[in-house]
Amino acid sequence: GQQLNQSPQSMFIQEGEDVSMNCTSSSIFNTWLWYKQDPGEGPVLLIALYKAGELTSNGRLTAQFGITRKDSFLNISASIPSDVGIYFCAGSQETSGSRLTFGEGTQLTVNP
Amino acid sequence: DGGITQSPKYLFRKEGQNVTLSCEQNLNHDAMYWYRQDPGQGLRLIYYSQIVNDFQKGDIAEGYSVSREKKESFPLTVTSAQKNPTAFYLCATLGGRQHFGDGTRLSIL
Repeated sequence: GQQLNQSPQSMFIQEGEDVSMNCTSSSIFNTWLWYKQDPGEGPVLLIALYKAGELTSNGRLTAQFGITRKDSFLNISASIPSDVGIYFCAGSQETSGSRLTFGEGTQLTVNP
Repeated sequence: DGGITQSPKYLFRKEGQNVTLSCEQNLNHDAMYWYRQDPGQGLRLIYYSQIVNDFQKGDIAEGYSVSREKKESFPLTVTSAQKNPTAFYLCATLGGRQHFGDGTRLSIL
């Protein structure tokens, strides 16, 4: 099946630092989503992007839908310890968003 | 997310046995999904159902089976034909966006 290339695979940062991660694909996507997963739980949606070039914020999180529709990035500003977790990008090539392809995840560790 | 219940949280089975994972939702969503997650990897789609009594194979359906007799329920059976069944299994529904349950961790002894 289709794969999204997500990087970096892992990040170790100090509290207060900014974080940036991204996803790329060789195919065009109509929707990009960013999820966070805590250990032993299901992913929780952080930000949804529906339009090329769209830049959306959710508190300290900002995500962008790339102009080419083949990439997206997520930034976290002023990281805090509870930001720890795995962040996944997901894309849909269907307008309904009914079938998602996931990236491999970025494991974020925040040192207090 | 609230509204999607996966049970049990942990499941142990002997090699060669079939095992069924439960997923129940009270969100009144038509579409439901099963994903498999392995350490250090993203979610891979096993099966999905867009309406009652209908379902389609995802990217890794071999060794799995599903049924969708009721809107609220989408059980996944991991059969003995699945070569490497130990993984974290996630159920999701679609209502504007995908909502996820808290997962079932399956271990084969």
